[in-house]
Amino acid sequence: DIQLTQSPSSLSASVGDTVTITCRASQSISNDLNWYQNRPGKAPKLLIYGASTLHTGVPPRFSGGGSGSQFTLTISSLQPEDFATYYCQQSDYTPWTFGQGTKVEVK
Amino acid sequence: QVQLVQSGAEVKKPGASVNVSCKASGYTFTNYYMHWVRQAPGQGLEWMGIINPSGGSTTFAPKFQGRLSMTRDRSTTTFYMEVSSLRSEDTAVYYCARVSRIAGYYYMDVWGKGTPVTVSS
Repeated sequence: DIQLTQSPSSLSASVGDTVTITCRASQSISNDLNWYQNRPGKAPKLLIYGASTLHTGVPPRFSGGGSGSQFTLTISSLQPEDFATYYCQQSDYTPWTFGQGTKVEVK
Repeated sequence: QVQLVQSGAEVKKPGASVNVSCKASGYTFTNYYMHWVRQAPGQGLEWMGIINPSGGSTTFAPKFQGRLSMTRDRSTTTFYMEVSSLRSEDTAVYYCARVSRIAGYYYMDVWGKGTPVTVSS
């Protein structure tokens, strides 16, 4: 199975900050990498697919980059509703796998 | 609008089975594969498997082989996921998630609200 390792596991930030989350794959997965936001008690929400394409309706302060085995999710100018847990997920190989998550908390 | 409506919360005893449903609406049922994902309390997301709504073929994560079943009913546009031989570690929220494809990329773009399943004696 493809292992996805996210770093950091958690981070503290303030409204207006820019944060970056990294996702490393155990082998190359081309650009088959998606990012999801997960708020407590809510279903995950797709943010980015294909490593860098913003899903419909997602604010442009979210951006994704990378290819092969290293990827990033950047949130510019954090808003109150952005404090949540973020997961990367690969769709290049079955079984699909998720990273362990990165919790973005209020500083 | 596109919607996935899941069945309600379940409480089961160890060794029992649970069946969770996911009714799809607002799109052509046979055009989109459906995945199932679960999240144990305080834990991350775990991919369980996928079903082809046209032919009904399935692929499961290795850890669920032998205990997991996925079916669909085209007449009612409903998907079903059954986990058998339940144990306490199966306590989780179970989600159905539709898979879309653009330019060769696959992603889960529409999710159900989740079905909490508690396994307790």
